[in-house]
Amino acid sequence: QVQLQESGPGLVKPSETLSLTCTVFGDSISNYYWGWIRQSPGKGLEWIGHIYSSGSTNYNPSLWNRVTMSVARSKNQFSLKLSSVTAADTAIYYCARVSRYIRVFDFWGQGILVPVSP
Amino acid sequence: DIQMTQSPSSVSASIGDRVTITCRASQGINTWLAWYQQKPGQAPKLLISAASSLQSGVPSRFSGSGSGTDFTLTISSLQPEDFATYYCQQAESFPLTFGGGTKVEV
Repeated sequence: QVQLQESGPGLVKPSETLSLTCTVFGDSISNYYWGWIRQSPGKGLEWIGHIYSSGSTNYNPSLWNRVTMSVARSKNQFSLKLSSVTAADTAIYYCARVSRYIRVFDFWGQGILVPVSP
Repeated sequence: DIQMTQSPSSVSASIGDRVTITCRASQGINTWLAWYQQKPGQAPKLLISAASSLQSGVPSRFSGSGSGTDFTLTISSLQPEDFATYYCQQAESFPLTFGGGTKVEV
């Protein structure tokens, strides 16, 4: 059974860079796409982007100039960086595996709340 | 971007009721659609992919249908553990987008 675990700082200041890591257990990170999704408090879900195990990426255009994703195959991890954050970036951030045949998310981490506050 | 519109935004139902949730895409997405269930404090859980394909382990009282722009999620006989928020997601093109959610409550 695949399990994912997000990790990162519990608080980020405005204008700084949010950095999160997702560690994958129970499966190799190779040969899959991996994604980040966020959910603002009490709101719906927003796709941030995808990264393939080779490092190729797709980002949401609404965030593309602030988002960077990377993969560390030796550690079975992938990461998210979101720069110049504001209070609007306060959300629960989820990492997830993308299903092999259709771009949906079949395994999710439990999520990490990242408040943006001075 | 493809906009996904769910209705209703909330539905009140009782145990044993048949519940139907609708998701409409702003343009045709064939059957590139998924349904998720989210309970408070938990991550979303994939129920259905490709509009009607039930994920392994998901009870058969859940079913999905539709293609093109109009889709439905049906719970044939609501159980206590089904009270949650349900989201649709289009998988046809980037950026991937979700519906606004439908809360199923007592």
